[in-house]
Amino acid sequence: VQLQESGPGLDKSSQTLFLSCTVSGGSINSDFHYWNWIRHHPGKGLEWIGNIYFLGSTNYNPSLKSRVSISLDESKNQFSLRLRTVTAADTAMYYCAREAVPTFPRAFDIWGHGRMVTVSS
Amino acid sequence: QSVLTQPPSVSGAPGQRIIISCAWTNSYTGPDSAVQWYQQLPGKAPRLIISDNNIRRSGVPDRFSGSKSGASASLTITGLQPEDEADYFCQSYDNRPVFFFGTGTKVTVL
Repeated sequence: VQLQESGPGLDKSSQTLFLSCTVSGGSINSDFHYWNWIRHHPGKGLEWIGNIYFLGSTNYNPSLKSRVSISLDESKNQFSLRLRTVTAADTAMYYCAREAVPTFPRAFDIWGHGRMVTVSS
Repeated sequence: QSVLTQPPSVSGAPGQRIIISCAWTNSYTGPDSAVQWYQQLPGKAPRLIISDNNIRRSGVPDRFSGSKSGASASLTITGLQPEDEADYFCQSYDNRPVFFFGTGTKVTVL
């Protein structure tokens, strides 16, 4: 299984960040996996953004919950991140990652390569 | 705010043993939660190397080991190699669950 981030990144007109993650080599419709977004601020630590289960249930970091939404597109085997009202503080490398419940519960065993998003102040 | 604190840097000569600590700063996080460890090489995504406190992932050299005691965990590299030079992050979670990462430790091989 591989994950790959893609998408426009930042829509400046709406100040919204939008990224997608394509899952290849496996189905996103899995009882056993949660699909996550994680970001890494330059020179700082990693921050978990949230995740989605194939039935559509989501779980978000409380610090971002008011601005974030994660959705899933079964037909494209993709899940997506939308972050509204972005500021320079949202500049980061954005990763998608998988949690495999049976083998690595509460851990992230597969990661995408990452997509850098820069928000100018 | 990070609830998992790591030393910013640790260094050692090839062949030496180094230990990276990871300590909870907030009891709400749940000291009973398991700890994972990730290695991030320059320009690469993080890679899971230790799960559930001390389970080494398949393909990870046995010089890497993890442990946990109470509200702290540690990653030990016994027999440091030049290719181990990287950033290392611990990770845990609470009962919601919300996931937390440590502040990160840069390992330098002298």
